[in-house]
Amino acid sequence: IVLTQSPATLSLSPGETATLSCRASRSLRNIGYLAWYQHKPGRAPRLLISGVSARATGIPPRFSGSGSGTDFTLTISNLEPEDSAVYYCQQYATSPFAFGPGTKVDIK
Amino acid sequence: EVQLLESGGGLVQPGGSLRLSCAASGFTSATYAMAWVRQAPGKGLEWVSGTSGSAVYYVDTVEGRFTISRDNSKNTLYLQMNSLRVDDTAIYYCAKYISGSTAFGLDVWGQGTTVTVSS
Repeated sequence: IVLTQSPATLSLSPGETATLSCRASRSLRNIGYLAWYQHKPGRAPRLLISGVSARATGIPPRFSGSGSGTDFTLTISNLEPEDSAVYYCQQYATSPFAFGPGTKVDIK
Repeated sequence: EVQLLESGGGLVQPGGSLRLSCAASGFTSATYAMAWVRQAPGKGLEWVSGTSGSAVYYVDTVEGRFTISRDNSKNTLYLQMNSLRVDDTAIYYCAKYISGSTAFGLDVWGQGTTVTVSS
């Protein structure tokens, strides 16, 4: 399964909403074996969302996930400067459990 | 506190070998699925290998060259890397799955260890 993410780069202002897309080359099944991660330079990646829409421990409600089948979305509302990072989706329906190429979010 | 600490990275010539270690603390790693993920310079994240129970999984590019294993008595995960190539150069992260199955996300990550393959 190959994941594509769009856009490659997103430049927004604080307070705006970011909408990130992840598309799978084939269905991730009804359960939706998809996660989203945030990765900042020099730091370990952080799990944001698992199972398409379940926020990980400590992740604020500004981060939300949705979708099914082959099309998934990560929405970040009320953007803050600290949200600047690269965001990756990952499928775990079928090995190899690949990541998408990432979307870089730049908060101006 | 749940933590993962990688070690074993370094500089190695093409064709050489390295063994990465990932020491877990604050939890019993044997009861969780575990994975190795890497990031090559200027590139994105790449899932490399995972293990759940007795099952092991690899990305095609390392199949036959890398071996993932555990020592439960030491609460440690390993990645034996043989026949290393220049394009294996990356930061290697150890990560823990949410449960004993790989059918979930990776909720705890180490800080990574750097592997450089160069002559």
